[in-house]
Amino acid sequence: DTGVSQDPRHKITKRGQNVTFRCDPISEHNRLYWYRQTLGQGPEFLTYFQNEAQLEKSRLLSDRFSAERPKGSFSTLEIQRTEQGDSAMYLCASSLAFKGTSGNKNTQYFGPGTRLTVL
Amino acid sequence: AQKVTQAQTEISVVEKEDVTLDCVYETRDTTYYLFWYKQPPSGELVFLIRRNSFDEQNEISGRYSWNFQKSTSSFNFTITASQVVDSAVYFCALYEGGSGNTGKLIFGQGTTLQVKP
Repeated sequence: DTGVSQDPRHKITKRGQNVTFRCDPISEHNRLYWYRQTLGQGPEFLTYFQNEAQLEKSRLLSDRFSAERPKGSFSTLEIQRTEQGDSAMYLCASSLAFKGTSGNKNTQYFGPGTRLTVL
Repeated sequence: AQKVTQAQTEISVVEKEDVTLDCVYETRDTTYYLFWYKQPPSGELVFLIRRNSFDEQNEISGRYSWNFQKSTSSFNFTITASQVVDSAVYFCALYEGGSGNTGKLIFGQGTTLQVKP
């Protein structure tokens, strides 16, 4: 069973450009999450999907950010008109949502992240 | 409001010393989950353990042990006989599992552990 993968691992862009990141979750997982982590801080929640449905968006997710999960499998996170303040590590995680308590269901497993640098 | 506090910003120990990382949480939910994740220099968050709010049984797994106390809202993590490979940033996180749960993890700010040879 492969883990969560993210592409690209690093992205350097100029201010004002658009960027898109991709996340492939663990295959049987129905929930997918995006987080942002800046230097010296813990990850902060951006948004999450259950299957194709985007169920919550953080206030951190400005209008320049959009996320999709069109077929309930991989997801993309796009940032339009990037700003220097968008420089961060963007982390994707997936989990198998389940109301029971056994095992590691509802545990989020993270990918390696995409480090974005906006010049 | 949900909150996770890791008061220790950095800890430095010498190899083979025991070290405890503190975590204090705030939540109004009666059903919640607590996690510890490890983030080595490579950057990937590695899941270590999950605890449910109704399971206060503490656990030992190899060199790792966890102390969950609802009375003090603490979920501390101990590494026994630390090794250089334990050097990483450790995050405590809270997940509210009630009927209105949002699915998100609330992370603390992390504790950087440096284990010197």
